Amino acid sequence: GNSVTQMEGPVTLSEEAFLTINCTYTATGYPSLFWYVQYPGEGLQLLLKATKADDKGSNKGFEATYRKETTSFHLEKGSVQVSDSAVYFCALPSTGRRALTFGSGTRLQVQP
Amino acid sequence: DVKVTQSSRYLVKRTGEKVFLECVQDMDHENMFWYRQDPGLGLRLIYFSYDVKMKEKGDIPEGYSVSREKKERFSLILESASTNQTSMYLCASLGGVAGNQPQHFGDGTRLSIL
Repeated sequence: GNSVTQMEGPVTLSEEAFLTINCTYTATGYPSLFWYVQYPGEGLQLLLKATKADDKGSNKGFEATYRKETTSFHLEKGSVQVSDSAVYFCALPSTGRRALTFGSGTRLQVQP
Repeated sequence: DVKVTQSSRYLVKRTGEKVFLECVQDMDHENMFWYRQDPGLGLRLIYFSYDVKMKEKGDIPEGYSVSREKKERFSLILESASTNQTSMYLCASLGGVAGNQPQHFGDGTRLSIL
């Protein structure tokens, strides 16, 4: 079935550093891909999505490009802020049901 | 904006108790989900429901049951709580069947079983 692998954390960066969080997937066909973010003490919220190959999703300065050649959907941000400290999850639809399959999550800590 | 509300943010129960976690959504979504979140494991699907009174097992249904008597409400039940069910529980809802739609999550219930 569909699966996703994302880099382990925690990732610790200084403010204004460049961020990359790697995500690769295994899937039948070309499903939509999602990045969710979980701020401390909260549930998950959608950060961005891409619905087909070569699409770029973007939101709040974050970007991710759906690359079918490398089956990847890496999350990037050019200049992180302390307020970006959170856990980030890569996800895609589960095989054969209306649920999502999530990666294990990557904790980002941004220091001032 | 879709709102998914979980009845408790924090809950402490004892081993052997029957525990109810409640979730309500306000967008008339057909699909609702219960996930469990544990460090290093991401989110794992416990149960989901695509219609009133309909339910399907997810990846880790053992020790849990669910109830969906009304479209807006989806309850997770721990029949006899055990310490290994201490975790964060997240409820989500989804409108329609299209795979390109995002799920909407509640703020979670952090459950401790003593």
